Amino acid sequence: EVQLVESGGGLVQPGRSLKLSCLASGFTFSNYGMNWIRQAPGKGLEWVASISSSSSYIYYADTVKGRFTISRDNAKNTLYLQMTSLRSEDTALYYCAREDGYNYDFDYWGQGVMVTVSS
Amino acid sequence: DVVMTQTPPSLSVAIGQSVSISCKSSQSLVYSDGKTYLHWLLQSPGRSPKRLIYQVSNLGSGVPDRFSGTGSQKDFTLKISRVEAEDLGVYYCAQTTHFPPTFGAGTKLELK
Repeated sequence: EVQLVESGGGLVQPGRSLKLSCLASGFTFSNYGMNWIRQAPGKGLEWVASISSSSSYIYYADTVKGRFTISRDNAKNTLYLQMTSLRSEDTALYYCAREDGYNYDFDYWGQGVMVTVSS
Repeated sequence: DVVMTQTPPSLSVAIGQSVSISCKSSQSLVYSDGKTYLHWLLQSPGRSPKRLIYQVSNLGSGVPDRFSGTGSQKDFTLKISRVEAEDLGVYYCAQTTHFPPTFGAGTKLELK
């Protein structure tokens, strides 16, 4: 069974940093591209960043480019999102999602981890 | 960015009723390989999103055939025949044809 379990969220002050993790199991992690997608409270979904299976290709939304860094450790089956210079508008539930490499959609999602940016 | 416009924003339905949700994109979603990367997801209350339909009309694993997806180019529809209680939640369309991936604002399906 595919499982994606996010961790590392919490309350952080504006301008500070936070690092999210997503532990994958139930599939060969190193074969799949992965994504971070967020959902502000009561709002819709916003794609944040993606990373290819071997980390060769990395992409970011304009809203986080230069502040967030996506990375992965295939030996540890873990996806990361390093977030710096956090703003109030980054407050959201952050999901990691697996990318189906054939159909180019998000076929499995984690349960999400909450990040609240507030003084 | 490609704007995905979903209508209606909400739907109130009775169990057993059939409903349709529209999703229109600001650009054609046909990729250079000829495929259309338009997908549907369902977010049940308090849960994370779940894959429903990929590439316009293909049902995700375990998704009942009461769900169907149609459309082409910029105009797409999700149909649910004989709504059941487990179908309640927010439906999102998403496109991955163009960078960045974008989502519709969602359609909330509620019980009448």
